[in-house]
Amino acid sequence: DAGITQSPRYKITETGRQVTLMCHQTWSHSYMFWYRQDLGHGLRLIYYSAAADITDKGEVPDGYVVSRSKTENFPLTLESATRSQTSVYFCASSESVLGPSGTDTQYFGPGTRLTVL
Amino acid sequence: QKEVEQNSGPLSVPEGAIASLNCTYSDRGSQSFFWYRQYSGKSPELIMSIYSNGDKEDGRFTAQLNKASQYVSLLIRDSQPSDSATYLCAVIQGGSYIPTFGRGTSLIVHP
Repeated sequence: DAGITQSPRYKITETGRQVTLMCHQTWSHSYMFWYRQDLGHGLRLIYYSAAADITDKGEVPDGYVVSRSKTENFPLTLESATRSQTSVYFCASSESVLGPSGTDTQYFGPGTRLTVL
Repeated sequence: QKEVEQNSGPLSVPEGAIASLNCTYSDRGSQSFFWYRQYSGKSPELIMSIYSNGDKEDGRFTAQLNKASQYVSLLIRDSQPSDSATYLCAVIQGGSYIPTFGRGTSLIVHP
């Protein structure tokens, strides 16, 4: 199906383990984003990518690693999970740069609920 | 310090009333403003974008932007119980193309 998907939808892991969250979009959108959403903090940007092989840090990148070897995929890896990384993670994409000279729509995936014990 | 501020609510309005949601931002150079709706347990979805001062209407929704006072509002006319959700304000600050989100305002429309 066309759209943006995330896997897994739910994940429970233990402190210190490596976890990879997958994000896949079928639109060939240039821009992709990873957010985490926590009560009291709203959506916070972890990493973003303007194109394949181009990534940049967002507001809260510590403890996370991303890669983007293909336009359609943008995996997020927690190298050594900590309890503070328990959160809901959203991947998003946009066709071009956000704003009046580009597009106004970010499309969000369904989210991954991650629990770190 | 969060640079996009929203009252967390909940804002409770009766069915059929106008719901008014507000958002303030700190960067005077901000140029792009967005309102997203997020139902409980779901992902955010775009309702409206606004780039110029004034009002922008789309069906029952009106976005209002006042750059001098650094606020953007969302009005929902004839509110319905199905409008009950969290509304997120997002702002792209000057020199950036990445939105900063507010914490969201929870809206409850009661019959």
